[in-house]
Amino acid sequence: GAVVSQHPSRVICKSGTSVKIECRSLDFQATTMFWYRQFPKKSLMLMATSNEGSKATYEQGVEKDKFLINHASLTLSTLTVTSAHPEDSSFYICSASSGVYYEQYFGPGTRLTVT
Amino acid sequence: AQSVTQLGSHVSVSEGALVLLRCNYSSSVPPYLFWYVQYPNQGLQLLLKYTTGATLVKGINGFEAEFKKSETSFHLTKPSAHMSDAAEYFCAVRALIGGSNYKLTFGKGTLLTVNP
Repeated sequence: GAVVSQHPSRVICKSGTSVKIECRSLDFQATTMFWYRQFPKKSLMLMATSNEGSKATYEQGVEKDKFLINHASLTLSTLTVTSAHPEDSSFYICSASSGVYYEQYFGPGTRLTVT
Repeated sequence: AQSVTQLGSHVSVSEGALVLLRCNYSSSVPPYLFWYVQYPNQGLQLLLKYTTGATLVKGINGFEAEFKKSETSFHLTKPSAHMSDAAEYFCAVRALIGGSNYKLTFGKGTLLTVNP
């Protein structure tokens, strides 16, 4: 089946620094990738949708200058949290899809802790 | 616009008992409906999905769900709970939002605990 990986699985960074999270589709070409944020004991909140080669579409209330998304190839999307603050600490999950009518395959998530 | 309501943030059953997790949705277009399972500190795994056709959908690990348009429901069931079923379950609805773009909207999740 389709496999999506994320790296790193866990990251701790200091407040004010930036951190990059990678999302890769290992055995299929992902024309669309999604980034979600999950707070403890909460549902997944869609942050943005990215189509390969295009600018990401951000959900209302998500700061695009803070959460930089790049989808430069059909197998890789990155989320960069810039000038991280403790309130950015969360579980970030990506998903990938090979087309409009195809299901999303989810990565294992990245636990970000900002100290 | 679409939304998902999962009734009961926490469901507890005994091993071997029926599992019933409730999901109601709203969607302005014909929905695609999904159930996902999430184990601690892991991503989401697809249990089953409804797109079109047969309204009773069978998934992995013995789970099934029935799409009832008149009730706008997509409840998840399993006849006999196993200890390994303990996890968080999310119901989701997908709808096109314009052009070729679509999004998944998730419910708040139901934590299933299975007692020995």
